[in-house]
Amino acid sequence: DGGITQSPKYLFRKEGQNVTLSCEQNLNHDAMYWYRQDPGQGLRLIYYSQIVNDFQKGDIAEGYSVSREKKESFPLTVTSAQKNPTAFYLCASSLITGGPEAFFGQGTRPTVV
Amino acid sequence: ILNVEQSPQSLHVQEGDSTNFTCSFPSSNFYALHWYRWETAKSPEALFVMTLNGDEKKKGRISATLNTKEGYSYLYIKGSQPEDSATYLCANPSNAGGTSYGKLTFGQGTILTVHP
Repeated sequence: DGGITQSPKYLFRKEGQNVTLSCEQNLNHDAMYWYRQDPGQGLRLIYYSQIVNDFQKGDIAEGYSVSREKKESFPLTVTSAQKNPTAFYLCASSLITGGPEAFFGQGTRPTVV
Repeated sequence: ILNVEQSPQSLHVQEGDSTNFTCSFPSSNFYALHWYRWETAKSPEALFVMTLNGDEKKKGRISATLNTKEGYSYLYIKGSQPEDSATYLCANPSNAGGTSYGKLTFGQGTILTVHP
């Protein structure tokens, strides 16, 4: 079945360590997004990509990095500089940016140990 | 309106009640307005994508209206059921300054709880 897959679902990391969250889609979508949700807040955009080898910062890009080497994949690296490591991360994709609906992964929650 | 705003933040209703929530968005450079339902432990799923002023869409007991001139959309649920309990999100794609519509900006959501 077509869909969008995030892994891992839970991720434990040591303080000061970078972690990379995986997002893969087989929907042939051009656009991919990373969102973060903090308790009591809505989804905030970290990064988005409209095409391979190109991406733009969202509203809260500090402490994160991304790459888009393949259409299917949009990994997010949470660096040790990110001060809120326990937020909930959602990956999404859409056919093109903005118009058609976005499809979401199940989410990843990193935990600092 | 500079951002996407939703109200109320949370809502508790009894089974069988009808309810509605509001999404406000920038009316300039409008392209589309999305509604999503996000159930606990699941992924958000699209309910509606609306593009035309005056548009009204319906899916079962849920419907939505759109006013692009004044920048608001209403989501209605008729005869709420416990399975309607979820967070309802609206989102507005904003022009990234180029020729394509970039960021999909979400409101903070309305948390609906339907009590049996």
